[in-house]
Amino acid sequence: EVQLVESGGVLVQPGRSMKLSCAASGFTFSSFPMAWVRQAPTKGLEWVATISTSGGSTYYRDSVKGRFTISRDNAKSTLYLQMDSLRSEDTATYYCTTWAHWGQGVMVTVSS
Amino acid sequence: DVVLTQTPPTLSATIGQSVSISCRSSQSLLHSNGNTYLNWLLQRPGQPPQLLIYLVSRLESGVPNRFSGSGSGTDFTLKISGVEAEDLGVYYCVQSTHAPYTFGAGTKLELK
Repeated sequence: EVQLVESGGVLVQPGRSMKLSCAASGFTFSSFPMAWVRQAPTKGLEWVATISTSGGSTYYRDSVKGRFTISRDNAKSTLYLQMDSLRSEDTATYYCTTWAHWGQGVMVTVSS
Repeated sequence: DVVLTQTPPTLSATIGQSVSISCRSSQSLLHSNGNTYLNWLLQRPGQPPQLLIYLVSRLESGVPNRFSGSGSGTDFTLKISGVEAEDLGVYYCVQSTHAPYTFGAGTKLELK
């Protein structure tokens, strides 16, 4: 059974950093591009970042470019999202996904 | 950025009724490799999104065949042939042909 389990969400002050993890199992992690998608409270879905199978190529939405870093460790079947200089507008549930499979999501709240 | 316009925003249906959701793109979603990266997702209340249809019309494994997708270029449709209670939630179209990947605003399917 495919599983994607996110962790690392918490309450953080504006300007601080946080790192999300997504542990994958039940499929060949290294064979799939991975993405982070977020959903602000009561809002729709928003793509954040994508990483290629090797990790050699990464893509970001403009609003997080230079602040967020997506990475992966294929040996550990784990996806990461390093989030720096957090803003209140980054408050959302963050999902890791292969597009075919989705984690349950982790809540990130940016507030003073 | 590619804008995906979903209509209607809300859909009221009775059990057994057939319904359609439209997703129109601000530019062609035909990739230079010949694929059209347009997917349909369902998000049930309190749940992560679930992939229903990928590459416009391909049914994801395990998804009932009452769901079907069609379209090309800039105009796409999701059809549910005989709504069931478990189909209630918010439907999203999403494109991954052009970065940044973008979602439609969603269509909420409710029981009449």
